Amino acid sequence: DAGVTQSPTHLIKTRGQHVTLRCSPISGHKSVSWYQQVLGQGPQFIFQYYEKEERGRGNFPDRFSARQFPNYSSELNVNALLLGDSALYLCASSVYRGGYGYTFGSGTRLTVV
Amino acid sequence: KQEVTQIPAALSVPEGENLVLNCSFTDSAIYNLQWFRQDPGKGLTSLLLIQSSQREQTSGRLNASLDKSSGRSTLYIAASQPGDSATYLCAVSPTSGSRLTFGEGTQLTVNP
Repeated sequence: DAGVTQSPTHLIKTRGQHVTLRCSPISGHKSVSWYQQVLGQGPQFIFQYYEKEERGRGNFPDRFSARQFPNYSSELNVNALLLGDSALYLCASSVYRGGYGYTFGSGTRLTVV
Repeated sequence: KQEVTQIPAALSVPEGENLVLNCSFTDSAIYNLQWFRQDPGKGLTSLLLIQSSQREQTSGRLNASLDKSSGRSTLYIAASQPGDSATYLCAVSPTSGSRLTFGEGTQLTVNP
């Protein structure tokens, strides 16, 4: 079975631009979460979606938004990029209930110049 | 607000040593705790998941313990190898399926 897949793996954007990151969860997983990891720090929670509804939002500005599609894949959108948005963006999928834990993808490395 | 702390921030040991990584959390009302491994620039690989009702979990040379009442978990690595070199992260979840709160990780280097 395929794991959690994220695309693209790397991208470089200019300040002020918009970016869309994509994630496909493990087959059978209906929950997708997004995390931002700045170099040298632990991941910080951004969003969680389950059955296409937002189930949690971290302390991030409104420039960050996300959605989940009927096939449970998800997009993370970031508008008006800042240099401080440069980070590794991680997607995690889970069954949602049952305490089975999370499986993470390999991440998207975003560099804002 | 849950806070997770990992000590030490970095650790360098010779090959073959047994070692312990520590994780503490401020709010003991957790549902489970998960240990992850992260290689440089890569995603997270799940190592062990401990439910709040459990005391420990084992996988190969890894053993994780949980003392929920004192807000502590340890990851024990036996007979360390250079391939164990990575950053180890612990994360807690307050309820089933909810967000993870991570520590900042312990960067482990195992020298041949």
